[in-house]
Amino acid sequence: IAGITQAPTSQILAAGRRMTLRCTQDMRHNAMYWYRQDLGLGLRLIHYSNTAGTTGKGEVPDGYSVSRANTDDFPLTLASAVPSQTSVYFCASSNNLAGAGGELFFGEGSRLTVL
Amino acid sequence: DQQVKQNSPSLSVQEGRISILNCDYTNSMFDYFLWYKKYPAEGPTFLISISSIKDKNEDGRFTVFLNKSAKHLSLHIVPSQPGDSAVYFCAANDRNQFYFGTGTSLTVIP
Repeated sequence: IAGITQAPTSQILAAGRRMTLRCTQDMRHNAMYWYRQDLGLGLRLIHYSNTAGTTGKGEVPDGYSVSRANTDDFPLTLASAVPSQTSVYFCASSNNLAGAGGELFFGEGSRLTVL
Repeated sequence: DQQVKQNSPSLSVQEGRISILNCDYTNSMFDYFLWYKKYPAEGPTFLISISSIKDKNEDGRFTVFLNKSAKHLSLHIVPSQPGDSAVYFCAANDRNQFYFGTGTSLTVIP
């Protein structure tokens, strides 16, 4: 069972470059999320998608964009990377059509360094 | 502004003793609370949850307590084991959005 697959696992990127972090889930979960983890700040929600075709902004959306063309894929794009976007990025999914009660399943993370 | 807060960045406990991790929240709309455990270089994994209609949920060595009036929840681990050493994140759900605390790093000393 793969669950959630993120790619790449690690990347070093020059400032100003465009980067897309990929996320695929095989659990047919309706909701997907992108978080970044930073020391002392915990996990902060960047963008989310409750169902295919819809997206929403989280706590720290600036500088990031997402798309949800289908149920399984939820890529996160940095149009022009900046050093403050150096972080570990986690993709997550949840089956929460019934509302509260769904847990989040996380990928293994993508470590991004912007120089 | 942080809606979910974990004020203790770290905690050390002797093996076999109880570990108590605390979490406070500010949003009264939160209706579901979760605890996640995270090892280095891995994604967080779900540990235990509690609905806002309950005040306690137990699963083996792990018990979560919820005090809605105080907007406070806690995770009790007893007895603590060295394998429990990890970072623990508290999370809360409001309308399908999950908000996380900053984490508490637990070290269980053999």
